[in-house]
Amino acid sequence: DSGVTQTPKHLITATGQRVTLRCSPRSGDLSVYWYQQSLDQGLQFLIQYYNGEERAKGNILERFSAQQFPDLHSELNLSSLELGDSALYFCASSVVSEDPDPPLHFGNGTRLTVT
Amino acid sequence: GIQVEQSPPDLILQEGANSTLRCNFSDSVNNLQWFHQNPWGQLINLFYIPSGTKQNGRLSATTVATERYSLLYISSSQTTDSGVYFCAVDPSGTYKYIFGTGTRLKVLA
Repeated sequence: DSGVTQTPKHLITATGQRVTLRCSPRSGDLSVYWYQQSLDQGLQFLIQYYNGEERAKGNILERFSAQQFPDLHSELNLSSLELGDSALYFCASSVVSEDPDPPLHFGNGTRLTVT
Repeated sequence: GIQVEQSPPDLILQEGANSTLRCNFSDSVNNLQWFHQNPWGQLINLFYIPSGTKQNGRLSATTVATERYSLLYISSSQTTDSGVYFCAVDPSGTYKYIFGTGTRLKVLA
């Protein structure tokens, strides 16, 4: 068990809908990362937060947004869902964002199916 | 951006065999990690290895950052080693890990 908790485990929804994925990092970790894993794109970095502030941004669509709350949990919001958004969404956390970056610890993911 | 290539893409082994997985990257990196994604989709952290060699049981890893590659060695493979192995690199100063395309390993009993 990595200590990173993601909910829900599975999510099935229709095109055009909006969903929220939740992540609780390991105790003491200040950085949270979101990744998307799809069959055709592999594991893609979406966004990173450090202590409530956005730190790095990757290939995140404008329909997607995220935030990290004062208690350090994070939420990834996906809106106007399309069939191609079906994927496994991972959250990872690390102690602090420093140079070099510390190791990542991943949650078990949320499997999103858009029908 | 940085390119991360892993080889071979697929590997089938008999239980007890040894193997070497390779990760090449096209630019300098701050750090490198190896992960195992098991058949249930969980991503397990194997090694955090910016340089040098580390060993953990039947697994070991070596990173030569100056030559831009890393190797993961699996000895005496077991069926539970099956899954996909990813390397992930942190390009200098970007604060994000970029994943390779993975090596899919199947170990036969």
